[in-house]
Amino acid sequence: DVKVTQSSRYLVKRTGEKVFLECVQDMDHENMFWYRQDPGLGLRLIYFSYDVKMKEKGDIPEGYSVSREKKERFSLILESASTNQTSMYLCASSLPGGVNYEQYFGPGTRLTVT
Amino acid sequence: KNQVEQSPQSLIILEGKNCTLQCNYTVSPFSNLRWYKQDTGRGPVSLTIMTFSENTKSNGRYTATLDADTKQSSLHITASQLSDSASYICVVTILTGGGNKLTFGTGTQLKVEL
Repeated sequence: DVKVTQSSRYLVKRTGEKVFLECVQDMDHENMFWYRQDPGLGLRLIYFSYDVKMKEKGDIPEGYSVSREKKERFSLILESASTNQTSMYLCASSLPGGVNYEQYFGPGTRLTVT
Repeated sequence: KNQVEQSPQSLIILEGKNCTLQCNYTVSPFSNLRWYKQDTGRGPVSLTIMTFSENTKSNGRYTATLDADTKQSSLHITASQLSDSASYICVVTILTGGGNKLTFGTGTQLKVEL
C-alpha cells in the first residue's frame, strides 16, 4: 500500500514565523503535490514536483515555496506565515501520467496562524 | 464558477437508507473521473475511478455512474452505515500540455444517523 505521511497533524504558529511542512512517501513516486483545503472551496494546488529538485507553481503559489532534495520528501515552506494561511494542508504523490492516474494523499496538517 | 459542481452540499440520512450524490462537470478534455471519500481530519481516499468509456463502477456498497455525454456522474451508497459519514469529493482529471491536472469539486458532506 502507498503510504504518504506528513510531519504534523496539527500546528499552531504565530504571524511572521517561518513554517516548514514535511511530506514523505514510500512508493518511489516521481510526482508530489501540495494542496490546501478550505471550507466551501475544493482542494487547490499550491506547488508540485515531478522530479528531485524540480518544482512547478500550481494555482495559488503566492506566499509559499517548496523544496525537494530527495525523491521521497517534499517540503512546503511558508516564509512568513500570515493568518490567511490558516488552512488544512494536504500532500499527495503519484506515478507520472497515465489514464488511470491517481494521487495518494497524506492525512493532512491543520495549520493555525495566530 | 467551479468547473466541478457537486450537489447537495450536505445530506443527513438514517442508517440503512440509500442515497445518491451528484457531480456535474464542465472541464475538458476529460481523462477520468474519480470519487474520493474524506473522513473528518483525514486525507481523501479514492473510492472509484472511471474513464470516459465506462459508465458504471462499483466498490462494495458504493456505485458510481458516469454519463460523458451530459458530463454528469453520481455516487450511490447502498445500506448506509455510520462509518459512511464523511465528505465525498468528485475529481475530474483533464489532460493538459503539462500532464494531468485534477479539478476538485467542493464535496458533499454526508452524515449518517441512527
